[in-house]
Amino acid sequence: EAQVTQNPRYLITVTGKKLTVTCSQNMNHEYMSWYRQDPGLGLRQIYYSMNVEVTDKGDVPEGYKVSRKEKRNFPLILESPSPNQTSLYFCASSRRLAGSTDTQYFGPGTRLTVL
Amino acid sequence: DAKTTQPPSMDCAEGRAANLPCNHSTISGNEYVYWYRQIHSQGPQYIIHGLKNNETNEMASLIITEDRKSSTLILPHATLRDTAVYYCIVRKVETSGSRLTFGEGTQLTVNP
Repeated sequence: EAQVTQNPRYLITVTGKKLTVTCSQNMNHEYMSWYRQDPGLGLRQIYYSMNVEVTDKGDVPEGYKVSRKEKRNFPLILESPSPNQTSLYFCASSRRLAGSTDTQYFGPGTRLTVL
Repeated sequence: DAKTTQPPSMDCAEGRAANLPCNHSTISGNEYVYWYRQIHSQGPQYIIHGLKNNETNEMASLIITEDRKSSTLILPHATLRDTAVYYCIVRKVETSGSRLTFGEGTQLTVNP
């Protein structure tokens, strides 16, 4: 089954404790992305990757890091989490701008709370 | 990417057609109309997209006006599981980073 998986699904942590949220897709997609969703602000893109070893900042990259060492994985790293990073996070993947059919597939979400 | 305007909420009776409007009066010739939906706190799900012709798939139909300034997503026989926030997104395929810009969307509630 084609899917995007994220782990963990729920996480409560404390300020300053490094954490990683994993994202994996089994569709051989080139493009992967991280969004965060906050009430009243909608979904905002954090980082994206067009292919292995190619990453770039989205709209709200501050406080986050990513890496793309393998095509299927795109982990989101919070080196020193702060309470304003409490949010619902989504990973997404798609083929790379393949005409008009590059629909994005989203993971189930990770609800992060930073105390 | 062009801005879209959607009603904040709509109701529909189960089994009836749900017609969700979207205005995109500043759309340009190379911008597509995409629809996604998000069932409470789940990941957004792609529904359908189109450029200027009407489109239909197993989930829905998309009707785009001739001037392309508005469109309507039609769920022909709404079920309770179609209760979700529906997002209309207009964007160029060539947009760098393939970012989807989600607005507030329309909360569709399907009632029994």
